[in-house]
Parts: sequence; C-alpha cells; structure tokens
Amino acid sequence: DTAVSQTPKYLVTQMGNDKSIKCEQNLGHDTMYWYKQDSKKFLKIMFSYNNKELIINETVPNRFSPKSPDKAHLNLHINSLELGDSAVYFCASSQVWDEQFFGPGTRLTVL
Amino acid sequence: GQQLNQSPQSMFIQEGEDVSMNCTSSSIFNTWLWYKQDPGEGPVLLIALYKAGELTSNGRLTAQFGITRKDSFLNISASIPSDVGIYFCAGQGTGGFKTIFGAGTRLFVKA
Repeated sequence: DTAVSQTPKYLVTQMGNDKSIKCEQNLGHDTMYWYKQDSKKFLKIMFSYNNKELIINETVPNRFSPKSPDKAHLNLHINSLELGDSAVYFCASSQVWDEQFFGPGTRLTVL
Repeated sequence: GQQLNQSPQSMFIQEGEDVSMNCTSSSIFNTWLWYKQDPGEGPVLLIALYKAGELTSNGRLTAQFGITRKDSFLNISASIPSDVGIYFCAGQGTGGFKTIFGAGTRLFVKA
C-alpha cells in the first residue's frame, strides 16, 4: 500500500500554462511538505503544512499556491509556468520531530 | 540561512570497498538524518540520529551525530552494486518542521 502518492508522475506543458500536482498520504501524519529538486539534484523545501495550516513558505514565487483540503492531502498549483519551473517536485509527510516519507516525485517539464 | 556542506560530491569505488561521507554546518541541529535516493524515486530514510555523540548502525551503514551538533558522517562497509545512488544528509533544527538537505553525494560502485 502506497504511503505517499503523487499524481501525475510526469507533466509536460507549455510556458504560461497553469497546472496542478496532487499529493496524498495514508500514514496519518500531521505534516506535509513540498520540495523542489533541480537538475543538480539539490533538494529545497518550498512549503510545509501542519494540520492544514501553512507553517513554512520558503521565498517561493506566489505563482505557486499550495492547498491542503485535509490532513491527508496537499496539492500544489502553479500559475503561468516558466522554463525555470522545470524540476522534480516531491511531496513528503511526517509526524513532527520524525522522519519524512517522500512520494515518488513529479517530473515537470516546461517547454 | 542554514546550510549544510556535504562531501564528497561524488565517489567512484570498487565493489567491496568501504565508503565514508560527511556533512558539516555552521548551525547547530537537533536531529541529523541520512537519506538515499535511487534514480526516478524519492529519498528514503536510512538512519536518524537524535543525540549528540550518538553512533547508530543499520546493517552495513553506520552514522554518527557529531559532539558539537554541527556535523555528521555516514559510513558504508563492503559496498555492493545496489549501493549506487545519491546520499543526502539532512538536519532539523528546533520545531522539527524545517529540514535542511545537503547537496548530496553521488556514489558509483563498480562490480
């Protein structure tokens, strides 16, 4: 049974489009995260939600808007996509003070 | 902001050799984590360290939480081809919500 799942796995789109990535966790965790991994494999946190409340927002352009409809879901909506948004986006979840479980990633390619 | 310096950046070794990699920081962390990322997948936790000076093993892997709380190392003994991947160190400060990742060590093992 998948612990943290993301859809889609691959996303190819044109510059200027709006797209969403969905994330779900079935671990009962209170905290969920979005990370961006660039072409050099550097992992950088973008957002963190605890009990549906935004607690970390790391200087991410406001074209990126996370939404947490409930504790098990954290979706990422991106407006007006740019070439530099191409990356792998990872969702993760954890209980506070504990290890983060990562999803399989969504590879976003902006043409 | 907080940064982790992870070294080496990459390693090319022969099967059966031992491997050592480390992370240092100018900031104190309360928790040190070591993750492994296989191609096309999300990072998976290998070892978590919660106390300064702690030495923890997981099979052929051994990691230590530095006494100063500003560094950690990971050793892999008797490497095998499936050890290939990217190894990330990560530190958690107070609050537990924000995890800082190192840039990763890319391990290549030749059979």
